[in-house]
Parts: sequence; structure tokens; C-alpha cells
Amino acid sequence: GAGVSQSPSNKVTEKGKDVELRCDPISGHTALYWYRQSLGQGLEFLIYFQGNSAPDKSGLPSDRFSAERTGGSVSTLTIQRTQQEDSAVYLCASSETLNTEAFFGQGTRLTVV
Amino acid sequence: GNSVTQMEGPVTLSEEAFLTINCTYTATGYPSLFWYVQYPGEGLQLLLKATKADDKGSNKGFEATYRKETTSFHLEKGSVQVSDSAVYFCALTNSGYSTLTFGKGTMLLVSP
Repeated sequence: GAGVSQSPSNKVTEKGKDVELRCDPISGHTALYWYRQSLGQGLEFLIYFQGNSAPDKSGLPSDRFSAERTGGSVSTLTIQRTQQEDSAVYLCASSETLNTEAFFGQGTRLTVV
Repeated sequence: GNSVTQMEGPVTLSEEAFLTINCTYTATGYPSLFWYVQYPGEGLQLLLKATKADDKGSNKGFEATYRKETTSFHLEKGSVQVSDSAVYFCALTNSGYSTLTFGKGTMLLVSP
């Protein structure tokens, strides 16, 4: 596609529910990144993929967070048993290769009530 | 490790004023430096970049020069417009790291 696409754009969920956030990167981009933007916290790196592989998962805030990428394309970030502190904007980005220019999606605003 | 420090906002200016947003960094090796902008209600957009020392990135009237001696990448614009009101993020990526390291962002508010 023309740009990085994320869905849904907004998600309101009840505390304790699971949520899935989707990212469609720019076609042909091998690297994909997830970031979290919380009020007053700036941008926090969560995880990156090179192809379908995520070499470093240490940025994920807790074991309730997981991510996968299939076919070197679409990625899903899953948050289990959501908590109120998970409320944030989750941003996905992709780049042609690692350490080249990253292009961001518009984000998914997650609100846990 | 890598880190980016930006001046805290908000920066409040009148239209046509001169803008400087300071950014300094700590990194090993030879990082590439970026400024991203986030307009209200929108996602992050790359504003400009510089990949080596003394490079100047420029776009939409904004400029930033990669200064290795002072580890800085300050953003400047000679005459801001109301439409420049946004949050500006300084960032870097390093050949040994696979992600962008961001500063905390600086909000710019431009009044008519």
C-alpha cells in the first residue's frame, strides 16, 4: 500500500479483556517496529521484526504483551488481560531495511476502562 | 546506550517568529539523526534527516545541521506559521541498533 496502515484507529476495551492491534507495513519493507506513545512519556520502543523474526523482545512491558508477524508483512500486537496503564497510542512503523528511514502509521488509540 | 535530549515545551511563538528547538544526543558510532513532526490528531511524519557529520537536513523551511563536535541537531525555521503548531521529536538510529531512539518531544504553539 501507499503507507503504513493500522487498525483499528480507536479501541475502547474493558479492563481484563484481550485486544489485538494490526499493522500493515509498506509493501516490500522488511523491518517493522512497534512503539507506544503514552501521555507525558514520549515514545517507547516495544519490539521490532526483521522479516518474521523478532530478535529482541525485551522492550515489551510485560508478559501480557506479544507480537507476531506473518509472511513478512502484517503484524499483530496482542495485549492480554488489559490494564488501565495500557491505555496509550500504539504506533507501528516500517522501513526498507533495518536502520533506514522509518515510516509511521497513524496509530491505534487504546483506552482501557 | 543511545539517548536524545530535547528542550521541554511548550514553545509558544507568534507567527513569523524565528524558531529553535534544541536537541542533543548520546550515541556510539555514527548515528543518523532525524526530526519527526506530529500534527494534532495525526501520526508521526519524517520532517528531515541527516546521515553524517556536517550534513544539513531541510524541508518545508525547517533546517537542522548534524554537529558531531557538539553532539547536536537543533531544529530551526526562520519564520513560523500557525500551521507549524505540532509536536516535534528528535530521533536517532545507530548502525548497532535496530530502532529509533526518540526524545520526549517538544510542543510548538504558534499564534496569529
